[in-house]
Amino acid sequence: DVKVTQSSRYLVKRTGEKVFLECVQDMDHENMFWYRQDPGLGLRLIYFSYDVKMKEKGDIPEGYSVSREKKERFSLILESASTNQTSMYLCASTKGGKLFFGSGTQLSVL
Amino acid sequence: GQQVMQIPQYQHVQEGEDFTTYCNSSTTLSNIQWYKQRPGGHPVFLIQLVKSGEVKKQKRLTFQFGEAKKNSSLHITATQTTDVGTYFCAGPRGSSNTGKLIFGQGTTLQVKP
Repeated sequence: DVKVTQSSRYLVKRTGEKVFLECVQDMDHENMFWYRQDPGLGLRLIYFSYDVKMKEKGDIPEGYSVSREKKERFSLILESASTNQTSMYLCASTKGGKLFFGSGTQLSVL
Repeated sequence: GQQVMQIPQYQHVQEGEDFTTYCNSSTTLSNIQWYKQRPGGHPVFLIQLVKSGEVKKQKRLTFQFGEAKKNSSLHITATQTTDVGTYFCAGPRGSSNTGKLIFGQGTTLQVKP
């Protein structure tokens, strides 16, 4: 079974903090994604990585950056967290065009 | 830009009733995928449709891909409480096969026992 693991299920941070969300997949997939999920808005793509050190902006990259130093690990970074970044963050990797999601990180920024 | 719209946003049904959610894309899609997210869970892949007019069944779930490959539907016959969750459709962005998908807003299904 494909396993996509996100390091934290719940996180509470303060405005202005730098936040790291970690994601690891164990299936040697090349493509990895970070999505944000908000009620009524569905899943929106933040960033996409198609190889180590390669990244591409998604629909809502503002306020976020990513890091992919190793194939299995894709990190999302909130440079200076703001309250409007309170959300569910979902990491995914892909095989055959279909996505395998991690369990998600519910981030609250106070 | 490319959009995928899904209706309705919410649906409450009595157990045993049928349920349908509809998905419409602003562009022709090479394929469409459906995902289910249980309450508190993460989206899980259900199925992919590729051919124009394709119909696929998984037990009580019937998936259709429109002739023009711009719309799709998911129909559940005789809903059960285990069907509760949010159903998302998703299509590839442009012509890519990289797994970059654009998702509909989802339909949240509640089933009253």
